Amino acid sequence: DQQVKQNSPSLSVQEGRISILNCDYTNSMFDYFLWYKKYPAEGPTFLISISSIKDKNEDGRFTVFLNKSAKHLSLHIVPSQPGDSAVYFCAASASSGGGADGLTFGKGTHLIIQP
Amino acid sequence: EAQVTQNPRYLITVTGKKLTVTCSQNMNHEYMSWYRQDPGLGLRQIYYSMNVEVTDKGDVPEGYKVSRKEKRNFPLILESPSPNQTSLYFCASTTYHSGSDTQYFGPGTRLTVL
Repeated sequence: DQQVKQNSPSLSVQEGRISILNCDYTNSMFDYFLWYKKYPAEGPTFLISISSIKDKNEDGRFTVFLNKSAKHLSLHIVPSQPGDSAVYFCAASASSGGGADGLTFGKGTHLIIQP
Repeated sequence: EAQVTQNPRYLITVTGKKLTVTCSQNMNHEYMSWYRQDPGLGLRQIYYSMNVEVTDKGDVPEGYKVSRKEKRNFPLILESPSPNQTSLYFCASTTYHSGSDTQYFGPGTRLTVL
């Protein structure tokens, strides 16, 4: 049973437009969410995160929105740039256990920015 | 420079031949973990360690062992590799807080078991 779902394996967006990557989760214990970006032949790198006490977090061109009632989060990239072409992983953790007990990842969405 | 290193980066081996993938971090992080990434499945946690001599199973621990004798090192051991362990492996580390710290990932080890 997949607890973090990214239902779009790939997404193609024109340069300069908005990219919206979606993520759904089923575990109501998750209270911290992260997005990672991965280029081929490299490890994932942290992009942006959000705690469940917030519904929005913004960092430059990247904004993450969290809808707790719908168990849904999304990553917005505005404007999209060629260097944003990568695989994006949504991840979640349940910190109520008192420790960094790991992240549960989605399968990833391959974002392709078209010139 | 803060980093997580893994060795080897690429490995081709045969079924049953024991191997170890090393992982080392220079950030004095308490928490380290191993993930495997497979097409269509994303990243799945194999084992994690909250500190020296403290390890626990993740979501897919079968066929793997780990050890944490020193804070900086967290090797992944495959005692008898099988073809279904062909995958891309990532080591990660973070400080031991309430899950709100980001994890730093190594560059990955691509393993092929024939």
